Amino acid sequence: DGGITQSPKYLFRKEGQNVTLSCEQNLNHDAMYWYRQDPGQGLRLIYYSQIVNDFQKGDIAEGYSVSREKKESFPLTVTSAQKNPTAFYLCASSIDRTRMFFGPGTRLTVL
Amino acid sequence: AQSVTQPDIHITVSEGASLELRCNYSYGATPYLFWYVQSPGQGLQLLLKYFSGDTLVQGIKGFEAEFKRSQSSFNLRKPSVHWSDAAEYFCAVGSLGGATNKLIFGTGTLLAVQP
Repeated sequence: DGGITQSPKYLFRKEGQNVTLSCEQNLNHDAMYWYRQDPGQGLRLIYYSQIVNDFQKGDIAEGYSVSREKKESFPLTVTSAQKNPTAFYLCASSIDRTRMFFGPGTRLTVL
Repeated sequence: AQSVTQPDIHITVSEGASLELRCNYSYGATPYLFWYVQSPGQGLQLLLKYFSGDTLVQGIKGFEAEFKRSQSSFNLRKPSVHWSDAAEYFCAVGSLGGATNKLIFGTGTLLAVQP
């Protein structure tokens, strides 16, 4: 089946640690995105990538980093510089402007 | 500035009643408009989308939405709500022009369905 997978589903981080969220897609989509979701704030764009080896900051990129070494993979690292990382993180991909496909999400909690 | 407003944070309807979720957008370019639904702890599923043409669009699960340019609105409707429709609904806007496929999302409307 084609789709987007995110792992892990739940992730716990101690303060001061970096953690990496995985996002993989087998839809052959060029563009991939990371969104952060907080209650009452909708989805906010962290980073996006329109092609391999290229990515752009979104609206709330501070404290996050990404890489796009392969078309199917777009991992997100939440660094210790992110002051309030507890949130639900959604990865998405698209082939054009007509539709964006979302993964099931990763819930990150800082202990 | 580009933005999407969903004025209703939380709505409760009775099963079988009609539903309308409001969405207003502010976008300089010609917009693409979307409605997504999210069940708790899950990703987002596309309900419907509008690009051009007929301003009344049909989606999955019996939902429809009407684009009204004069009101900058794209309200979601369903004539008879089912208990399984309880979820969070997000309106989003994208651009026909520009270099990216970014979407801007509203803050969501949480729908509860009473038996």
